[in-house]
Amino acid sequence: AAGVIQSPRHLIKEKRETATLKCYPIPRHDTVYWYQQGPGQDPQFLISFYEKMQSDKGSIPDRFSAQQFSDYHSELNMSSLELGDSALYFCASSGRGFNEQYFGPGTRLTVT
Amino acid sequence: TQLLEQSPQFLSIQEGENLTVYCNSSSVFSSLQWYRQEPGEGPVLLVTVVTGGEVKKLKRLTFQFGDARKDSSLHITAAQPGDTGLYLCAGARGYSTLTFGKGTMLLVSP
Repeated sequence: AAGVIQSPRHLIKEKRETATLKCYPIPRHDTVYWYQQGPGQDPQFLISFYEKMQSDKGSIPDRFSAQQFSDYHSELNMSSLELGDSALYFCASSGRGFNEQYFGPGTRLTVT
Repeated sequence: TQLLEQSPQFLSIQEGENLTVYCNSSSVFSSLQWYRQEPGEGPVLLVTVVTGGEVKKLKRLTFQFGDARKDSSLHITAAQPGDTGLYLCAGARGYSTLTFGKGTMLLVSP
């Protein structure tokens, strides 16, 4: 079965640079969620989109923005990167019905 | 304040032992999900429980949702080294985002 696809899997950036993370949800899933997970932490919700509209907002910094496109893929744009942004970034998707979220393999972002 | 409290935080056992992981909250959830996560990988959905008192079984794993839909447990029978990982519970209210517990790190030694 098709799963959530994230790219890139690993990303190394320097402070103050920008980064773009991409997420391709499971086919026919209309909702995308972004999470940030630091070492030894549980996933922290950043933002979600339903049918291309922002549906919920969590602890996403103002330096970050995201959107969902007409093909339902989503991109997380991160600017003015800081050392503290180094983390695993997960995208999850869900379809109609219960709020079952299926996670992608994540993007490991390292800011140096 | 963590909305979902998981216990224990760490568990190290021998192959063949049984164990139970708890997920407790003072809030009511419309559904609760259990995930298993391996280092550097995304959480993998194990089960979703929706109805108070519901019990679901997945091979050697038994999941239970409390009658009041505020707590849940995961019981593993005859644990195997392949069960090693971080077990996360996550609660949802309606179609809102998930709130995760801190997780239980399970290590099963041969």
